[in-house]
Amino acid sequence: KQEVTQIPAALSVPEGENLVLNCSFTDSAIYNLQWFRQDPGKGLTSLLLIQSSQREQTSGRLNASLDKSSGRSTLYIAASQPGDSATYLCASSGGTSYGKLTFGQGTILTVHP
Amino acid sequence: EADIYQTPRYLVIGTGKKITLECSQTMGHDKMYWYQQDPGMELHLIHYSYGVNSTEKGDLSSESTVSRIRTEHFPLTLESARPSHTSQYLCASSAWADRGGFYEKLFFGSGTQLSVL
Repeated sequence: KQEVTQIPAALSVPEGENLVLNCSFTDSAIYNLQWFRQDPGKGLTSLLLIQSSQREQTSGRLNASLDKSSGRSTLYIAASQPGDSATYLCASSGGTSYGKLTFGQGTILTVHP
Repeated sequence: EADIYQTPRYLVIGTGKKITLECSQTMGHDKMYWYQQDPGMELHLIHYSYGVNSTEKGDLSSESTVSRIRTEHFPLTLESARPSHTSQYLCASSAWADRGGFYEKLFFGSGTQLSVL
């Protein structure tokens, strides 16, 4: 059974700082890995999707990497802003849970001015 | 981008009531999902569907049921709500794509926050 773990559970940084969120998964037979953003009381917004054949994806100030062999993914946020404050979730698809996502518990990010 | 809608946004009901949470998407996606999320906890898949007349139970056991009579509609029903059903319910849909490898991107609705008293 796939297990996804995210560290840290919470992170507070000053505006402008670069930061890295970590995600690890136990089953390396994944089809893709996604990073989502969740704002309080709202649904999830897909940020980046990395297919199993890819090493990284970039969108604006966000860069996500994937290392299947070590079972790890990172989300890098450059020049953080207060508007980046949210919960960030990673989720894997495939392996024994083909076609369905297994989520981590998320990292609560606070960017203070 | 997909448009996926959930109603109601918030629901407070008494124990024993039958409720239906609505989920509709307008992009013609084949696959739809229901996830349950307790405060501060991870999302757990409770139901999914690969298309019309297809429904499967997810990883987390749930007393709810679902139906998929139309591609765009995937309602979730609780026959007799209990306080243990208090949670946030998130609906999602995705489309198949194959670019040399399977590719599935999820689009989520805003969720229904259910409180059972």
